[in-house]
Amino acid sequence: AQRVTQPEKLLSVFKGAPVELKCNYSYSGSPELFWYVQYSRQRLQLLLRHISRESIKGFTADLNKGETSFHLKKPFAQEEDSAMYYCALRGDSSYKLIFGSGTRLLVRP
Amino acid sequence: EAGVAQSPRYKIIEKRQSVAFWCNPISGHATLYWYQQILGQGPKLLIQFQNNGVVDDSQLPKDRFSAERLKGVDSTLKIQPAKLEDSAVYLCASSLNPGVAGELFFGEGSRLTVL
Repeated sequence: AQRVTQPEKLLSVFKGAPVELKCNYSYSGSPELFWYVQYSRQRLQLLLRHISRESIKGFTADLNKGETSFHLKKPFAQEEDSAMYYCALRGDSSYKLIFGSGTRLLVRP
Repeated sequence: EAGVAQSPRYKIIEKRQSVAFWCNPISGHATLYWYQQILGQGPKLLIQFQNNGVVDDSQLPKDRFSAERLKGVDSTLKIQPAKLEDSAVYLCASSLNPGVAGELFFGEGSRLTVL
């Protein structure tokens, strides 16, 4: 079964501090992993996907198959990064996108 | 480019009443999804359409929920009769092709409150 776990409901940091949003997954095949973000009063939108190995708004995420993790990182948090972040998984045998429960990131000035 | 449109944005009903939500996906997007997001939880997939066919409805409570996508464009999600636990935001999303990159484009959602 596909499962995504985000252990932290809330992560609060000060501006300029490093950020790591944790995501662990359960899937026996080859997963595709994504991070979606929802800013206040905006729609849920894609932030980044592991296959692109890209950095978006200073965020990066590396798929660690050994630890079944896909943590989202940023070296220096900005106030505008405050939002809800959802990790999502899609298995190779299905196009179903499964979301974690989300982590609220609060960046304080 | 116009985004995914949903209506109504808000709906308040009493339990055992019925409600319908409408979604218009981005033009040309073959895949349409309905997600249910209960407060404090992540979105849960209810049903996924590819054009006008159902790809996955394994988590749709079929005794009370129904969805259709006539002509492979707009979609309607209906709840009849509603229960208190159906209070949630119903998100519609679309994608160009589920096998390509996996990016879903979401609507603003329809917030349902069942009293």
